[in-house]
Amino acid sequence: GDSVTQMEGPVTLSEEAFLTINCTYTATGYPSLFWYVQYPGEGLQLLLKATKADDKGSNKGFEATYRKETTSFHLEKGSVQVSDSAVYFCALIVVTGGGNKLTFGTGTQLKVEL
Amino acid sequence: DTGVSQNPRHKITKRGQNVTFRCDPISEHNRLYWYRQTLGQGPEFLTYFQNEAQLEKSRLLSDRFSAERPKGSFSTLEIQRTEQGDSAMYLCASSSQRVVPDTQYFGPGTRLTVL
Repeated sequence: GDSVTQMEGPVTLSEEAFLTINCTYTATGYPSLFWYVQYPGEGLQLLLKATKADDKGSNKGFEATYRKETTSFHLEKGSVQVSDSAVYFCALIVVTGGGNKLTFGTGTQLKVEL
Repeated sequence: DTGVSQNPRHKITKRGQNVTFRCDPISEHNRLYWYRQTLGQGPEFLTYFQNEAQLEKSRLLSDRFSAERPKGSFSTLEIQRTEQGDSAMYLCASSSQRVVPDTQYFGPGTRLTVL
């Protein structure tokens, strides 16, 4: 079946540090890849997405590149802020017969300190 | 675009009681999804509607769970004879069939606590 593996958290960084959150996947077909973010007390928000190999998704200073050869979609940000503290989820969709269920990783908690 | 809304936001119930949750999707979205999220885990798919048709159900969805979307707009998720293991956050998401890939937008969730 389809699965997503994320690096375990929490990840604790100082403000302005560089962020990488690793995500790898296995999929039965050709997946589209997503990063969602969940701020404390809030719902999941779509952060960025990529639909094919070598696509780069970007939003709010975050980037992730779809690497088919390594089945990875690592999330990066050059300079994190305290406001980036949240849980980040990597997810995939493989379209099969009209169904589009998201398969999520377990999430990585990011804590950014002053 | 008012976003996906869910009600109630919190529900506390006693074991054996029935509960019902409601989801109102983004108005132009014809697809609606239910997921369940337990502490420290990612959301897990429960079921999916396209318009009013329920097209897929996870094996996680036991016979005690039922979902409806009678007019292709809002949806309800009912859990009968609740068990403590049903305690979780129940998330609803919606998307448009016209957007490829399917990009799902989530509501704030309903947190269920079964005592």
